[in-house]
Amino acid sequence: DGGITQSPKYLFRKEGQNVTLSCEQNLNHDAMYWYRQDPGQGLRLIYYSQIVNDFQKGDIAEGYSVSREKKESFPLTVTSAQKNPTAFYLCASTVDKYSNQPQHFGDGTRLSIL
Amino acid sequence: DAKTTQPPSMDCAEGRAANLPCNHSTISGNEYVYWYRQIHSQGPQYIIHGLKNNETNEMASLIITEDRKSSTLILPHATLRDTAVYYCIVRGADYKLSFGAGTTVTVRA
Repeated sequence: DGGITQSPKYLFRKEGQNVTLSCEQNLNHDAMYWYRQDPGQGLRLIYYSQIVNDFQKGDIAEGYSVSREKKESFPLTVTSAQKNPTAFYLCASTVDKYSNQPQHFGDGTRLSIL
Repeated sequence: DAKTTQPPSMDCAEGRAANLPCNHSTISGNEYVYWYRQIHSQGPQYIIHGLKNNETNEMASLIITEDRKSSTLILPHATLRDTAVYYCIVRGADYKLSFGAGTTVTVRA
């Protein structure tokens, strides 16, 4: 089945540690996105990528980094500079940035601080 | 960018239709309205989207007013599994989706 796979489902980070969240899609979508969700709130955009080797900051990019070396993959690294990383992280993709087709989401990674 | 306004919560009886309102009075002529829902601890699930005509799929119907300033998502026969947070979104000029707090829908037996 086509879709978006996020792993791991749960992740724990120690103080001062960088952690990387995986996002893979087999939908042949050009555009991919990372969102953060805090309890009881909506989603906020961290980074997005329109094409391989290109990505743009979203509204809350500080303390995060991304790469887009393959069309299918868009990993997110939560760096030690992100002082409040505990949240639910969601990856999404769509045909391309300009299309009116909807974004489709993975099932998320829940990150907690040890 | 167009902003949306939704009621924070609503209840619905199982088997009845659920009508979820959304106001988007500043929407531009070429901006689509998207509806998603999110069940606890899962990713948002796409439901339906539209521009100006009413739309229907296997999950729901979307009614957009003629002036496009508001819309209504209709779940025709609500089930307990429809309990979720429902988001009405207008994509901005920068092609980003902005998720607000949504409407928490509780379907009661």
